[in-house]
Amino acid sequence: DQQVKQNSPSLSVQEGRISILNCDYTNSMFDYFLWYKKYPAEGPTFLISISSIKDKNEDGRFTVFLNKSAKHLSLHIVPSQPGDSAVYFCAAELSGSARQLTFGSGTQLTVLP
Amino acid sequence: DVKVTQSSRYLVKRTGEKVFLECVQDMDHENMFWYRQDPGLGLRLIYFSYDVKMKEKGDIPEGYSVSREKKERFSLILESASTNQTSMYLCASSSRGAGEAFFGQGTRLTVV
Repeated sequence: DQQVKQNSPSLSVQEGRISILNCDYTNSMFDYFLWYKKYPAEGPTFLISISSIKDKNEDGRFTVFLNKSAKHLSLHIVPSQPGDSAVYFCAAELSGSARQLTFGSGTQLTVLP
Repeated sequence: DVKVTQSSRYLVKRTGEKVFLECVQDMDHENMFWYRQDPGLGLRLIYFSYDVKMKEKGDIPEGYSVSREKKERFSLILESASTNQTSMYLCASSSRGAGEAFFGQGTRLTVV
């Protein structure tokens, strides 16, 4: 049973426009959420995170929104650039755990020039 | 520059072989993890360790074991490789406190 779900396997966006990637979770004990970006044949790299006590976190072109009542988070990339084309993974961490992450299945973002 | 280093980028092994995947981190992190990534399934946790000589099963530990004799090194062992273990294997480390996990570059293992 997947506790973290990314229901869109792929997303295409025009350069300069906004990219919105979505993620849903089922376990209300998750208290920390992260987004990772992955290029082919490389390991994931950390992008941005948010604690469950916040509803928004911004870092440059990247903003993550958390809606705890809906158990939903989203990543906004504005403006999108061709170099943003990659697989994006949403991940969640349990409170009190040894900090192991539960990942979604990923969304392939393609930014078209 | 912080680093998690996996010993091989690509490996090809035969069915039934014992396979060792090595991971070293230079950040003095307490926690280390092994994941596998398969298309459509994301990253799934195989084993993790929160201290030297400590290990815990993740979501898919069957067919794998691990070893952590030193803080900086975490090894994944495939006792008898099978074709369904063909995958991308990713090692990660994190501190006990706040902050993100850092990943290695991955090992693409093919079992024939």
